[in-house]
Amino acid sequence: AQSVTQLGSHVSVSEGALVLLRCNYSSSVPPYLFWYVQYPNQGLQLLLKYTSAATLVKGINGFEAEFKKSETSFHLTKPSAHMSDAAEYFCAVSGEAGTALIFGKGTTLSVSS
Amino acid sequence: GAVVSQHPSRVICKSGTSVKIECRSLDFQATTMFWYRQFPKQSLMLMATSNEGSKATYEQGVEKDKFLINHASLTLSTLTVTSAHPEDSSFYICSARDQSALSSGANVLTFGAGSRLTVL
Repeated sequence: AQSVTQLGSHVSVSEGALVLLRCNYSSSVPPYLFWYVQYPNQGLQLLLKYTSAATLVKGINGFEAEFKKSETSFHLTKPSAHMSDAAEYFCAVSGEAGTALIFGKGTTLSVSS
Repeated sequence: GAVVSQHPSRVICKSGTSVKIECRSLDFQATTMFWYRQFPKQSLMLMATSNEGSKATYEQGVEKDKFLINHASLTLSTLTVTSAHPEDSSFYICSARDQSALSSGANVLTFGAGSRLTVL
């Protein structure tokens, strides 16, 4: 079985500051890991995914995440926050390509000017 | 890229009526689709797995007679909320699996934009 835990339900940063959203996973098999962003009243947009290739994954909008097996983590980072990054972020895991994703509880990112 | 369309995007209905939500894969065939439910300010909870030509597989605690899922073609799955009540009000999101993407390394799962159901 798979699960993810997102540490911190709400993260606040200043514009231009580093963004760090934490995700730890649990999986009985090598995991597939994902980060999605959701803007109010909208669907999910895939930011990036880890599928057992490179451990450092680069995504859209300047986001990246590093898969660390020893720490069972897949934290999402962005060097410099923009106001437009304010949204809800979800970490998700699956145990096999194309199977249903199990989502974390989400982290709300607020960006102040 | 792969596109999944959900319709309607918003629907308001009276208590006791049934509502159908459609999930269509526009440019690929989806033998499997997943239905999620999202309460306000909460995460997405998997409701069921919809398989083309066979019965859906429901997650524990999801009433299959309440949430009817039909996957009659390779591009369409429908979720019908029967005898809806205010507690069924939620954001419903589907995702479709592009089997051909498995070998290409492209994104396998594509999410729809969601359907917001409000039951009065």
